[in-house]
Amino acid sequence: NAGVTQTPKFRILKIGQSMTLQCTQDMNHNYMYWYRQDPGMGLKLIYYSVGAGITDKGEVPNGYNVSRSTTEDFPLRLELAAPSQTSVYFCASSLGRGSETQYFGPGTRLLVL
Amino acid sequence: AQSVTQLDSQVPVFEEAPVELRCNYSSSVSVYLFWYVQYPNQGLQLLLKYLSGSTLVKGINGFEAEFNKSQTSFHLRKPSVHISDTAEYFCAVIMNTGNQFYFGTGTSLTVIP
Repeated sequence: NAGVTQTPKFRILKIGQSMTLQCTQDMNHNYMYWYRQDPGMGLKLIYYSVGAGITDKGEVPNGYNVSRSTTEDFPLRLELAAPSQTSVYFCASSLGRGSETQYFGPGTRLLVL
Repeated sequence: AQSVTQLDSQVPVFEEAPVELRCNYSSSVSVYLFWYVQYPNQGLQLLLKYLSGSTLVKGINGFEAEFNKSQTSFHLRKPSVHISDTAEYFCAVIMNTGNQFYFGTGTSLTVIP
């Protein structure tokens, strides 16, 4: 049982490039989340999904897209990378809604130059 | 909307001393409250959560928190800290009918030998 896995661990992008951050969970959780963590700012929710085929915007969705074709996978897409997207990205999953514990992946560190 | 305020960005404390990390929230509806811990270069892990019932909640590693509805607070406490408690601590809130978590900006706890 690996929990929540994220790839890659680190990435450097040039402005305007695109990339996909991968997130997979093997706990059969319905809910999955993407957060970004900036120094001194805590975690901000980018997108979340309550099940396969269902996604919704969080606090800071601009510049990102997501899809949820399976229960296990929840990739985050950056289409035109900007320096403001330099951050640490965390994927999380939970069994159900609010009262359930979130399980976090180890994070992806992204630098946009 | 909900919001979370962690009043102290950094808390240094000597080993074996007690510590309190403060968290206040604002919400017009009933909420669930969480404390997560983040060790260096890792994802977040759940320390404890308040859903309902007893206002004193006990978590892992000897931590506990008390929900105070009148003061809209959920402060985290430990009677005697250890070097291994050095980490970043995040308070989070979610509406009990919602899907979005809101995190505080974090408190960096440093335990001094």
